[in-house]
Amino acid sequence: KQEVTQIPAALSVPEGENLVLNCSFTDSAIYNLQWFRQDPGKGLTSLLLIQSSQREQTSGRLNASLDKSSGRSTLYIAASQPGDSATYLCAVEETSGSRLTFGEGTQLTVNP
Amino acid sequence: DVKVTQSSRYLVKRTGEKVFLECVQDMDHENMFWYRQDPGLGLRLIYFSYDVKMKEKGDIPEGYSVSREKKERFSLILESASTNQTSMYLCASNQGSYEQYFGPGTRLTVT
Repeated sequence: KQEVTQIPAALSVPEGENLVLNCSFTDSAIYNLQWFRQDPGKGLTSLLLIQSSQREQTSGRLNASLDKSSGRSTLYIAASQPGDSATYLCAVEETSGSRLTFGEGTQLTVNP
Repeated sequence: DVKVTQSSRYLVKRTGEKVFLECVQDMDHENMFWYRQDPGLGLRLIYFSYDVKMKEKGDIPEGYSVSREKKERFSLILESASTNQTSMYLCASNQGSYEQYFGPGTRLTVT
């Protein structure tokens, strides 16, 4: 059974710092990996989706990488801002059109 | 923009009541999902649907059922609500293997 782990569970950084969030998964036979952001009490917002054939995806200050063989993904946030404070979740899809398996998330706080 | 809406943001029900949670998406997506989210347990899949009238059990289907009579609407039904079903319920949809889009969530409290 696929398991997704995110480390650290919580992270607090000063504004302007570059940071990396980590995601690992136990079964490398994935179809894609998706990163989400969740604000308190709200739904999830999709940030980036990386297909299994891709190594990375970029959107603005966000860059996500995928190393399928080692079962790892990272989300890099450049020049962090207080508005980036949220919980970040990664999720893997094992076959096309199937369910996602989620990690428990990293709670990020960016201090002004 | 894809929009996924859920019928209620907050809901309070009594033990034993039958509860309906509604989810509607406006992008003609084939796939729809119901998750629940609990502290320390993360998001867990309850049921999902690949097409109208199709449904598949997720990880924790016990105590729940679903209905998908129209492509845009996916309903989650708690047949007899219990206190351990107090949770945040999240609906999502996607097409194929593209991004899953989530609704705002329904925070259900069963007393």
